[in-house]
Amino acid sequence: GESVGLHLPTLSVQEGDNSIINCAYSNSASDYFIWYKQESGKGPQFIIDIRSNMDKRQGQRVTVLLNKTVKHLSLQIAATQPGDSAVYFCAEWNQAGTALIFGKGTTLSVSS
Amino acid sequence: EPEVTQTPSHQVTQMGQEVILRCVPISNHLYFYWYRQILGQKVEFLVSFYNNEISEKSEIFDDQFSVERPDGSNFTLKIRSTKLEDSAMYFCASSETRVHGELFFGEGSRLTVL
Repeated sequence: GESVGLHLPTLSVQEGDNSIINCAYSNSASDYFIWYKQESGKGPQFIIDIRSNMDKRQGQRVTVLLNKTVKHLSLQIAATQPGDSAVYFCAEWNQAGTALIFGKGTTLSVSS
Repeated sequence: EPEVTQTPSHQVTQMGQEVILRCVPISNHLYFYWYRQILGQKVEFLVSFYNNEISEKSEIFDDQFSVERPDGSNFTLKIRSTKLEDSAMYFCASSETRVHGELFFGEGSRLTVL
């Protein structure tokens, strides 16, 4: 079946450090992945996406890496700031393209 | 910036009562979704909707749930007879395209069933 999960439920970093949040997926046919950020009391917010024909994509302070061989993707946040504190979810579309499935989430806590 | 809006932000209801959660998707979007998030847990897919039909529904979306797009702008989720375990945040989302499209989420409606 299709499932998306994250390796660690929580990650605590110091302000200014780089953060790496990991996600493993099981559907080898998945071809599009999205990272969402959810701040407390709010809806998920799009951060960055990546298609399976890429292995790396960069945004502003964020980079997503995709390793299709081991079905793993990661979100790297450079110079983490207190405002980055949130729950981060990876998500993938199901095979039919009719549902975006979320993983379990990693809570990132940034201390200054 | 266009956004998805949801009402009410919080609803408290008695077990067995009917609840309707409302959403106004982004105006040029064609695909609509409802998700549920029990406190502290992951965002769970409920249903997707396109062209006035359900495209996909999860096991959670049983006969007690229904969706409707009554007037071309609103997208509603109805829970016919609420149970205690329906207490959760319900998020509406919309997208312009399917599969490789980004879902835009509303701020959620918190449902508390007593």
